[in-house]
Amino acid sequence: DTAVSQTPKYLVTQMGNDKSIKCEQNLGHDTMYWYKQDSKKFLKIMFSYNNKELIINETVPNRFSPKSPDKAHLNLHINSLELGDSAVYFCASSQANGADTQYFGPGTRLTVL
Amino acid sequence: AQSVTQPDIHITVSEGASLELRCNYSYGATPYLFWYVQSPGQGLQLLLKYFSGDTLVQGIKGFEAEFKRSQSSFNLRKPSVHWSDAAEYFCAVGIGGGNKLVFGAGTILRVKS
Repeated sequence: DTAVSQTPKYLVTQMGNDKSIKCEQNLGHDTMYWYKQDSKKFLKIMFSYNNKELIINETVPNRFSPKSPDKAHLNLHINSLELGDSAVYFCASSQANGADTQYFGPGTRLTVL
Repeated sequence: AQSVTQPDIHITVSEGASLELRCNYSYGATPYLFWYVQSPGQGLQLLLKYFSGDTLVQGIKGFEAEFKRSQSSFNLRKPSVHWSDAAEYFCAVGIGGGNKLVFGAGTILRVKS
């Protein structure tokens, strides 16, 4: 069983479009995260939710909006996509708000043309 | 500001040889330290972590790492590398109570037979 799953795995779209990436975890964890990995493989946290509440919101354009309908899901919606949004986006989850192990999903490769 | 430095972008070792990947961090408080591995096209998998206690930590796949506070380092080691260890390795420090991970730029490990 996949612990942290993301859909889609690949996403190719045009500039200006709006798209969403979905993330689900079946580990019963309380905290979920979104990370962006750029073309140089640099990983940076974007958001974190704990029990559906936003607890980390890094300096990310407000075109990016996370949504957590329940603590097992954390979706990422991106408006007005730009070329620079092309990256691999990883979802992760951990047991609690703290230094618990973060389990990562397989990633979604977003390509903006 | 918190940061993680992995000085080696690429490392090539022969199969069966020993391995050491370097990691230095900058963080004012007691750090939570992690090593993750990413195989091509995959998500990140935790190899090991240090929170407190014994400064030599054992991880999966025969890896170990040693925390040296005086050197602000957390180097990853393996006594005998296998071809399947070829991947990219990321060091990270957990800040803000640990749930926010700050990653290094990664080290790509190549294993030659």
